Amino acid sequence: DGGITQSPKYLFRKEGQNVTLSCEQNLNHDAMYWYRQDPGQGLRLIYYSQIVNDFQKGDIAEGYSVSREKKESFPLTVTSAQKNPTAFYLCASSIDDRTGTQPQHFGDGTRLSIL
Amino acid sequence: KQEVTQIPAALSVPEGENLVLNCSFTDSAIYNLQWFRQDPGKGLTSLLLIQSSQREQTSGRLNASLDKSSGRSTLYIAASQPGDSATYLCAVRLLGSGNTGKLIFGQGTTLQVKP
Repeated sequence: DGGITQSPKYLFRKEGQNVTLSCEQNLNHDAMYWYRQDPGQGLRLIYYSQIVNDFQKGDIAEGYSVSREKKESFPLTVTSAQKNPTAFYLCASSIDDRTGTQPQHFGDGTRLSIL
Repeated sequence: KQEVTQIPAALSVPEGENLVLNCSFTDSAIYNLQWFRQDPGKGLTSLLLIQSSQREQTSGRLNASLDKSSGRSTLYIAASQPGDSATYLCAVRLLGSGNTGKLIFGQGTTLQVKP
């Protein structure tokens, strides 16, 4: 089945540690996104990528880094500079849509907690 | 700056009732508005997408309307069922973001349908 796979489902970070969240899609979508969701809040954009080897900062990029070496993959690294990393992280993808007609498709998320 | 607000934050109704969820946004310069469903601990499922030139979209028991000039959208759920219990999020895609697909989300309305 086509879709977006995020792993792991749960992740724990120690003080001073970098951790990487995986996002893989087999929908042949050009655009991919990372969002952060805090309890009782909507989603906020961390980074997005429209094409391989290119990505842009979203609204809350500080303390995060990404890479886009393959069309199918858009991993997110939560660095030690992110002082409040506990949240639910969602990856999404979409067709490179210039018409406003295509929805974003989401993975099932990774829940990150501090040890 | 675009802000998206959803009222109420939570709603509890008996099974079979028709209900309306509200979403408002501050800037009418949007590509589209999307409604998503989120089950606990899961990712988002796209329900309906209304392009800026459209007034409404329907899918089964769901009907979403858009009044761009007043900055409002409603999601109407007919004959609610316990399986409709979830958090419903609306999001607008900004004009001027080109083909980035950047979405601005509301905080969500958590719906409980009691048998």
